[in-house]
Amino acid sequence: DTAVSQTPKYLVTQMGNDKSIKCEQNLGHDTMYWYKQDSKKFLKIMFSYNNKELIINETVPNRFSPKSPDKAHLNLHINSLELGDSAVYFCASSQAPGTSGGGTDTQYFGPGTRLTVL
Amino acid sequence: AQSVSQHNHHVILSEAASLELGCNYSYGGTVNLFWYVQYPGQHLQLLLKYFSGDPLVKGIKGFEAEFIKSKFSFNLRKPSVQWSDTAEYFCAVNTRAGKSTFGDGTTLTVKP
Repeated sequence: DTAVSQTPKYLVTQMGNDKSIKCEQNLGHDTMYWYKQDSKKFLKIMFSYNNKELIINETVPNRFSPKSPDKAHLNLHINSLELGDSAVYFCASSQAPGTSGGGTDTQYFGPGTRLTVL
Repeated sequence: AQSVSQHNHHVILSEAASLELGCNYSYGGTVNLFWYVQYPGQHLQLLLKYFSGDPLVKGIKGFEAEFIKSKFSFNLRKPSVQWSDTAEYFCAVNTRAGKSTFGDGTTLTVKP
């Protein structure tokens, strides 16, 4: 009955490869997010989707492409992996985005995917 | 653009000491404020949040935070820390547009 799940948990790959990370939430939330946490623990938002539509797209290389086949899933595909992509990637979801919902933008995080690029 | 600043990058305390972690944000509009905690090897989870009403909010495990609008601050406090509070603490701000910004985090180490 995991609320937000990610696969795989660990991913080790060579530079130049293409990889995907999957995220699923069973909370019935409308909004999903991808974050990158680097080795210094800094957490940066990458993308946010609401009802399968992209609402936040921070300055990330276009090698990163999110895909939301339905409200419960937000996958992250990364092309031509580079050393600097090594990090922990967290998926999260919330009932709603923004501040209009009386705190419904509380985010629930997945366990993270530790990506290591060699 | 909004930003969140956490003043203390690494805090080391002994058990039973009092804790205050600073958080300031810059954004002119309506915000919701959060503190999330990340225990070693685990994912982030909500500690407490403020979106309206009483500016003093209480969260899990004896934590509380006070929203001071005039200072754009949302400092986290706990009167007596425990070894199990050792973790990374993140302050976060959400705006009406749905953008989330996290601070750089504060590593809290509590010595037994």
